[in-house]
Amino acid sequence: EAGVAQSPRYKIIEKRQSVAFWCNPISGHATLYWYQQILGQGPKLLIQFQNNGVVDDSQLPKDRFSAERLKGVDSTLKIQPAKLEDSAVYLCASSPRPPDRAGANVLTFGAGSRLTVL
Amino acid sequence: KQEVTQIPAALSVPEGENLVLNCSFTDSAIYNLQWFRQDPGKGLTSLLLIQSSQREQTSGRLNASLDKSSGRSTLYIAASQPGDSATYLCGEWRNTNAGKSTFGDGTTLTVKP
Repeated sequence: EAGVAQSPRYKIIEKRQSVAFWCNPISGHATLYWYQQILGQGPKLLIQFQNNGVVDDSQLPKDRFSAERLKGVDSTLKIQPAKLEDSAVYLCASSPRPPDRAGANVLTFGAGSRLTVL
Repeated sequence: KQEVTQIPAALSVPEGENLVLNCSFTDSAIYNLQWFRQDPGKGLTSLLLIQSSQREQTSGRLNASLDKSSGRSTLYIAASQPGDSATYLCGEWRNTNAGKSTFGDGTTLTVKP
């Protein structure tokens, strides 16, 4: 089974520039997550998709971050304009279904995209 | 607001020792709790998932327990090996419509040969 693919692995930009990250989840996984992980901290959920609909984006800084999941498969996370505090690893994960009492949401993570904003 | 705390932040043990990692959470209305391993520069790898109705899960040398009433989970690693050196994170998923998740900041484990 192929894993969760993310690109690019590394990106260095200057503040106020824009950047986009791409994620291809495991085939058939309905739920897709984007997390932000700052060095030394645990991942923070930015947005969660169920198929191609957003189910939670309460922690997404919507003035500068946007995300979409077209056709319920691939997803793109965009930052425009970037700030110094956006320097972090952006992790994409997918699970077969959303969380429920049956525990169907075992997550598979990609390797992440490391963003450095200068 | 849900908070997830992992103590200690770092742990160093000699090879062969049994050890326990701790995770505490403030809101007991959870769907499940998952333990993950993260190697430097890599993504997270799921180790164990405990449903809210379960008390523990086991996989090989790993055993995870869940006590919702006290808001605690532990990850027990038996007979530790240098290859177990990594950061271990717990994450919980709440029983809201969206099942929002919160992660702790992790415990960095070093197993010395």
